[in-house]
This record gives sequence, structure tokens and C-alpha cells, in this order.
Amino acid sequence: EPEVTQTPSHQVTQMGQEVILRCVPISNHLYFYWYRQILGQKVEFLVSFYNNEISEKSEIFDDQFSVERPDGSNFTLKIRSTKLEDSAMYFCASRLQREMYNEQFFGPGTRLTVL
Amino acid sequence: AQKITQTQPGMFVQEKEAVTLDCTYDTSDQSYGLFWYKQPSSGEMIFLIYQGSYDEQNATEGRYSLNFQKARKSANLVISASQLGDSAMYFCAMREVRVAGTALIFGKGTTLSVSS
Repeated sequence: EPEVTQTPSHQVTQMGQEVILRCVPISNHLYFYWYRQILGQKVEFLVSFYNNEISEKSEIFDDQFSVERPDGSNFTLKIRSTKLEDSAMYFCASRLQREMYNEQFFGPGTRLTVL
Repeated sequence: AQKITQTQPGMFVQEKEAVTLDCTYDTSDQSYGLFWYKQPSSGEMIFLIYQGSYDEQNATEGRYSLNFQKARKSANLVISASQLGDSAMYFCAMREVRVAGTALIFGKGTTLSVSS
């Protein structure tokens, strides 16, 4: 069964460093998302991506964040200068179509630890 | 204001019993979707069930059913015959019709513990 994959599973970085989180969405999906979950808290939306551009972003997704789909398969989230409060689980998700009933398939997540 | 409210931080149930996890939502849209996801201790997000705002019947998926009461804006998840493997965090989420790629809004979750 096709699935969303994410690498790495765990990333440890120093405050102020840049990190790139990678995702490979399901191959025929059209909509891509990044969410984050601070430990013990709810899942929060960061950004959605469709047709090679950002279609929606939350207040969390400030200038430190960027997304890219550099080729036909990868979808990346870059945090330019990490802060302690960026420590969280980051989930990538993808969806096939716009229709309401289409579920989002989540990847296993990348746990980011900023020291 | 919270879009999705899950008032039960933790629920405890015995194996084989049914359990209801509460979810209320807030939207002014006519067209929206409601989802439940399960997050076991391993961390992944597993889709369980979906209910559309225009669906007249409550959604069911195996042991999961969604008790949808539109006028009360509630979308409670019912798990029948609980199993030990059901122990996990459960998130209710909503998608409103907005722009393309519209995102899920999650509640804070309910931790379900199933004991033998």
C-alpha cells in the first residue's frame, strides 16, 4: 500500500542552525501539507502546497520557514534558523484530490530536537 | 475561539466495552468534513473515519462509528468492543471549504486507555 515517507526520523540540531525535513508524498497525490506537534499538544497546521505553490499557511509559518518541491517526488520543509521552540514532531501529509472526503495520509513524522 | 473542542483529556475503559470520545466543532461554513485520527505511542497519525456535513447517515468503519449531530455541532467517535490495541491518543479534526489544499484543524486530543 502506498505511504508517505519522511526522513530523517529524528533530527537533533543546535539553535540557529538550518534544518531541512524531507518528505516523499504518495506519488499521485496533488496536495501536500506540513503539520507540527509540540510534545503532548495538538497537531497544528503549518502550510499547504498545491500546483507548485503555497496555497495556505498558518501564523506559525513565518519567514523562518519555507517549503519546496524540488523534483517530482520530494517535498521539503526548511527552517532557516532554528529556535528552541521549534522542537516538535513534524508531520508531512498528502491528499489526492480537493474533494472533502479525501483523507490526508500522514507520514510517520520527523522528531526535531533543537538544543 | 476553539474550532475543535475535545473536553476529555483522558478516558479509561475495560476491554470489550464501548466508549464514546466527545468532539464539538465551531464553523459558519455549510460544507465541511469531520475526521478522527488515532495516534498510538509510536507517534504516527492513523485515519479512522470521516463524516461530511451533508451526509445524512452517521459514518461507520468497522468498530468505529461517528455520532454526528449537526444541530449540536458534535461529532463523537464511538468505539465498540474496545481492544487493548485501541489505547492511544485520538484527535478530532475538521476541514472547512476554503482555498485549494484546505487544511485540517485538530482538537487537543483524548487519551484512551484500555485495560484488561
